[in-house]
Amino acid sequence: KAGVTQTPRYLIKTRGQQVTLSCSPISGHRSVSWYQQTPGQGLQFLFEYFSETQRNKGNFPGRFSGRQFSNSRSEMNVSTLELGDSALYLCASSLDRGQLYGYTFGSGTRLTVV
Amino acid sequence: TQLLEQSPQFLSIQEGENLTVYCNSSSVFSSLQWYRQEPGEGPVLLVTVVTGGEVKKLKRLTFQFGDARKDSSLHITAAQPGDTGLYLCAGGTSGTYKYIFGTGTRLKVLA
Repeated sequence: KAGVTQTPRYLIKTRGQQVTLSCSPISGHRSVSWYQQTPGQGLQFLFEYFSETQRNKGNFPGRFSGRQFSNSRSEMNVSTLELGDSALYLCASSLDRGQLYGYTFGSGTRLTVV
Repeated sequence: TQLLEQSPQFLSIQEGENLTVYCNSSSVFSSLQWYRQEPGEGPVLLVTVVTGGEVKKLKRLTFQFGDARKDSSLHITAAQPGDTGLYLCAGGTSGTYKYIFGTGTRLKVLA
């Protein structure tokens, strides 16, 4: 079966712009989580959606937002981009209790802010 | 605040050597997972350990969950260049939706 698909793979944006990243989970998976990965901070949790509801949120500013659609596909949006937002953004999906059984990750979107 | 500390941070070894990576916390976890991540890709789930004292083997990789479910280790026997990557432990607790990643161990196996 198809894995977790993230689009686009690479993105270059200018400071102040906004960006939307997309994630299609494994078919049947209802939980989608987003992470930011940087060399200095490692993997930082952004938020988790389950059945279109955000059920967990990390410590990121309000410029970071997300949503999940009825088909479980998810998007995350970053507004007013800053240089420090340059990172690999990873999406992960699971059936439900991924925090107990693990997640399947996509290949990520590499965002560069210039 | 739950934290997962991994050691060592970096490891560079010769092909054929053995190594152990540690994942430690002061908190109890319901389960722990180990992932391997290659450059430019997402982490890939290797194993889940659930029971205190549990040992799981995956070919040359042996994973152990501490008796108190606060720590875990990953042992690789006869490392190969294909084992090169970033190893991450991660854990969660039943009753919450929180999921914590470890600080990571970057392994390089030289041919």
